[in-house]
Amino acid sequence: AQTVTQSQPEMSVQEAETVTLSCTYDTSESDYYLFWYKQPPSRQMILVIRQEAYKQQNATENRFSVNFQKAAKSFSLKISDSQLGDAAMYFCAYDRRNNNDMRFGAGTRLTVKP
Amino acid sequence: DTGVSQDPRHKITKRGQNVTFRCDPISEHNRLYWYRQTLGQGPEFLTYFQNEAQLEKSRLLSDRFSAERPKGSFSTLEIQRTEQGDSAMYLCASSLVPSTDTQYFGPGTRLTVL
Repeated sequence: AQTVTQSQPEMSVQEAETVTLSCTYDTSESDYYLFWYKQPPSRQMILVIRQEAYKQQNATENRFSVNFQKAAKSFSLKISDSQLGDAAMYFCAYDRRNNNDMRFGAGTRLTVKP
Repeated sequence: DTGVSQDPRHKITKRGQNVTFRCDPISEHNRLYWYRQTLGQGPEFLTYFQNEAQLEKSRLLSDRFSAERPKGSFSTLEIQRTEQGDSAMYLCASSLVPSTDTQYFGPGTRLTVL
């Protein structure tokens, strides 16, 4: 079974600083996707960034980037120039190709201090 | 292009009652998923549809739960004889395969069973 572990229940960062959220996963598959989703308080979950396992290049989306280490089964999210609007729960997720059973970590609550 | 919508957003019911939730996916998305999210946890997969066919069900989906997607568009999730342990956020997501494996989430229906 595939499992996703987020070892940091809570993180905080000063506005404009950089923070890294950790995620590890366990799988025997070679073809899969990894995602970071953001869930603001009482608001819906939105996709932050996705990574295809066969791509060696780390995905980036504006201030968000990942460090994908396939051999180590690690998928961390770096948020640069943190903004107050980045405060949310962040979930790491794993899905096999032709997704049908996405697995989520328990989440990391990010606080951004002004 | 409207996103995934869910109705109702909140539902309070008494133990033993039946409840039904609706999900309208992004138009033209052929896959629709249901997840359950309890407080402080990541979403857990319940079931998914490819068009109108229900292709997979989690062991979390007890006999009291039933989901349908009769015309391959909207879906309903019914819980019969609700129990207090059913209290959770029920999330719906949709995707278009094989074009993309990214799932887009709705705002969820928060169920409280008294």
